[in-house]
Amino acid sequence: EAQVTQNPRYLITVTGKKLTVTCSQNMNHEYMSWYRQDPGLGLRQIYYSMNVEVTDKGDVPEGYKVSRKEKRNFPLILESPSPNQTSLYFCASSLSLNSPGGYTFGSGTRLTVV
Amino acid sequence: AQKVTQAQTEISVVEKEDVTLDCVYETRDTTYYLFWYKQPPSGELVFLIRRNSFDEQNEISGRYSWNFQKSTSSFNFTITASQVVDSAVYFCALSEAARAGNTPLVFGKGTRLSVIA
Repeated sequence: EAQVTQNPRYLITVTGKKLTVTCSQNMNHEYMSWYRQDPGLGLRQIYYSMNVEVTDKGDVPEGYKVSRKEKRNFPLILESPSPNQTSLYFCASSLSLNSPGGYTFGSGTRLTVV
Repeated sequence: AQKVTQAQTEISVVEKEDVTLDCVYETRDTTYYLFWYKQPPSGELVFLIRRNSFDEQNEISGRYSWNFQKSTSSFNFTITASQVVDSAVYFCALSEAARAGNTPLVFGKGTRLSVIA
C-alpha cells in the first residue's frame, strides 16, 4: 500500500531532550515536506526537500532540523525541544512539485513538550 | 503573497442536508493549484481534489462537487445529502507554481463540519 509513515504517533517529552520524528514513504516520491498544525493557525510548512541531499527552510524552520540521506526518509529533528513546539506534525510527499496526485500526508505525530 | 481564506470556522447541518464550504484565495501567479483536504476526527489528512488554474470546469465525484471561479478567486466545495461520516475539518489549500524551488501548500484555517443524525 502506497503510504507515508510517521513515527511515533504520540510523544510526550521534556524541554531540552533531543528527539527525532521519522517519516518514510514507499512511493519513490522526490518531494517531501514537514508541516505543523496549530489551533487557529492551520498548517504551516517547516522544511522541505526536493530530492536526496537537497533541503531548505519553509515558513517556520526555527528550532528544527531535517536530513534527506535517502529518497524514502525525511526525519524531523528537534535538538532542544521547547513547549512552543507542542503541536501536531505532518510529513507529506509528492511525486514531483506539480504532481496531479497532490500531496500524500502521513497520519500525524502529536508532540507535547512539557 | 499567497493566502487562503475559509471564512466559515464551524458549520453544523442535519444529516441529508446539502452544505457548501467556502474558499477564497489570493495569488499573483497565473499558474497555481488548488486543493481540498479532509481531516476526520482520527487526525489524518485525506486528499480530495486538485485543480489547476487553467481548468475552471466544475467537478463532481459522488456526493462531492467543486465550483472553481477565477473571477471571484473562489474554490467552493459542496457536499450533497450530507452524512455523519462527513463530519471533519476541511482544508482548502493553494500552491503557486512559479515559486522557485518550492511549492508549499498554503492552507486555510479550516472549516469544521458537524453532521448531526
